[in-house]
Amino acid sequence: QQQVKQSPQSLIVQKGGISIINCAYENTAFDYFPWYQQFPGKGPALLIAIRPDVSEKKEGRFTISFNKSAKQFSLHIMDSQPGDSATYFCAASANFNKFYFGSGTKLNVKP
Amino acid sequence: NAGVTQTPKFQVLKTGQSMTLQCAQDMNHEYMSWYRQDPGMGLRLIHYSVGAGITDQGEVPNGYNVSRSTTEDFPLRLLSAAPSQTSVYFCASSPGQGISQPQHFGDGTRLSIL
Repeated sequence: QQQVKQSPQSLIVQKGGISIINCAYENTAFDYFPWYQQFPGKGPALLIAIRPDVSEKKEGRFTISFNKSAKQFSLHIMDSQPGDSATYFCAASANFNKFYFGSGTKLNVKP
Repeated sequence: NAGVTQTPKFQVLKTGQSMTLQCAQDMNHEYMSWYRQDPGMGLRLIHYSVGAGITDQGEVPNGYNVSRSTTEDFPLRLLSAAPSQTSVYFCASSPGQGISQPQHFGDGTRLSIL
């Protein structure tokens, strides 16, 4: 049973548009929710992360929205650029112990 | 600054062969972990270590062994390779359990079992 469910599997967005990726979890012990970006042939790299005591975190064009009651969180990429084309993974952990990853979303930003 | 180094980058094995995937980090991180990445399944934790001499199982530990004799190194051993272990393997490290710091990933080992 997958601990973190991610959707959509793939996403095509026009340059300048907004990319939205969603994740859901069941384990209420999770207290750290990072998003990773992965380019082909490379390992994942941390993009942005949030703790459950805030509902939103913004870093540049990237925003995490967090809904604790619904046990859902999402990544919004504003003004999407072709350089953002990559695979994005959400993840969750309890006390920075074991990390559980979503299945990934392949984003393609068209020029 | 090398970060997390994984070797080899590519490997082809025959069913039943054994091998060790190497992982080394030069950041003096206490926490290290191994993941496998399969299409449509994200990354799944195989084993992890919170410090030298301490290891524990993740989600998918069967068929893999680990040891942590030094802070820097965390090798992953396949004792008898099976086709189901064909995957991309990633090693990661972070300063420590319970510390709000990101995991640093290596660039992976692409393993094919024939």
